[in-house]
Formats: sequence, C-alpha cells, structure tokens
Amino acid sequence: DIVLTQSPASLAVSLGQRATISCKASQSVDYDGDSYMNWYQQKPGQPPKLLIYAASNLESGIPARFSGSGSGTDFTLNIHPVEEEDAATYYCQQSNEDPYTFGGGTKLEIK
Amino acid sequence: EVQLVESGGDLVKPGGSLKLSCAASGFTFSSYGMSWVRQTPDKRLEWVATISSGGSYTYYPDSVKGRFTISRDNAKNTLYLQMSSLKSEDTAMYYCARHDEYGNHWFAYWGQGTLVTVSA
Repeated sequence: DIVLTQSPASLAVSLGQRATISCKASQSVDYDGDSYMNWYQQKPGQPPKLLIYAASNLESGIPARFSGSGSGTDFTLNIHPVEEEDAATYYCQQSNEDPYTFGGGTKLEIK
Repeated sequence: EVQLVESGGDLVKPGGSLKLSCAASGFTFSSYGMSWVRQTPDKRLEWVATISSGGSYTYYPDSVKGRFTISRDNAKNTLYLQMSSLKSEDTAMYYCARHDEYGNHWFAYWGQGTLVTVSA
C-alpha cells in the first residue's frame, strides 16, 4: 500500500500569510505523465471537500488562493493569502493505485 | 444540484451485520462510479469500496475484503454497502462519494455521512 505522510501535523499561520503543507508518498503516484495526488479540506461536522485533483488542478468553485504542486513522491498544498475561513484540517489522497490511501491530516489554525 | 444522502448507520455488536444506503440525486447516477469512504474516530480517512457505473466491477481494500459488499440499483439511484462480521475497528462515519466522469478516484461530491458504531 502507498503510505502518505503529511507534515506538519498542525500549523498556525497569520491572516494574509502563506500556509504550506507537504505530503510525501512511499512510492510514486505518477502514471502516464499525470500525478494522482489530491487534496481535501475538512471542517468539523462536514465531509471532506475536494480542493485540488491530479496534483495541480483547482476544483471548480475553489478560490485561486489554493494551489497544488509536485510530482512523483513529493507534493505540496499552498494557501496564500490565508483567510479566516481556511481554518480546517487538510488531507492528501493518492488515486494512482488501489488501495486509494489518505494522509493523516494537517490542522491549520489562523492567527 | 448533486445530492448524496446516506442512511442505515447504527449501533451493532461485534460479529453483526448492517446495510448502508446512499440515495443519489441531481445527476445521472448510472453514469458514475461510486465509492464508500469512512472516517474513524481519530479522524483517519480510509477508502472502503468502489463500484463501477454499471455495477460490474467492484474493488475493496484488504481490511474489508470478504466482509463488505458494495452494490447499486441504478433504477432506484441508490448505492449500498452490506457489512458483515463487523469489528470494533469498523466504527466510523461512512460517506458515499461520487467519482468524476472518467472514473478517477478523486471525490468531488460526498454525502453527510452515516455513523456506524460497533460495540458490545
């Protein structure tokens, strides 16, 4: 199984600054030129919300302050400028191979 | 508007069985692959099962293979998850989720979830 390790487990970022979350996969999630890494945001009492799919594609309706990058085994979610409403837990997920695994989550606090 | 509404969650004893349902609306249900994803009390997310749009293909992780069965009724726009031989580690919020139009395993649409508790 592909293990996804997120870091940090939690971070506090000042309003208007940049938040950077890392996700490292135990093996490559690339296939045929695409990187199958996805990012979700989850707020308490709600299901996860898809932010980024295939490493860098912004899901419809998601603000442009969210961006994703990376390939192979190393991926990053950036949020800039951070807003109050971005306080949440963020998860990466690989969709390259069965079983489709998730990272352990990163909790973002807004200062 | 895409809507997914889960039901069927309950308190069940270890070794017991339970069947979850997910009613879909707002899209052509028969055209999309569907999955179940669960979230444990410690907030860990785990993919549980996938079924193809027509229902011919199903996939499971080892943790539930042989105990869980995903199925669908395209005439009723409903997804199911039959769970048997339940264990305490199956305790979780269970979400149904829709794939994109190409069958990729990223999930843009989720239901609100139904809670399954396995405890004596």
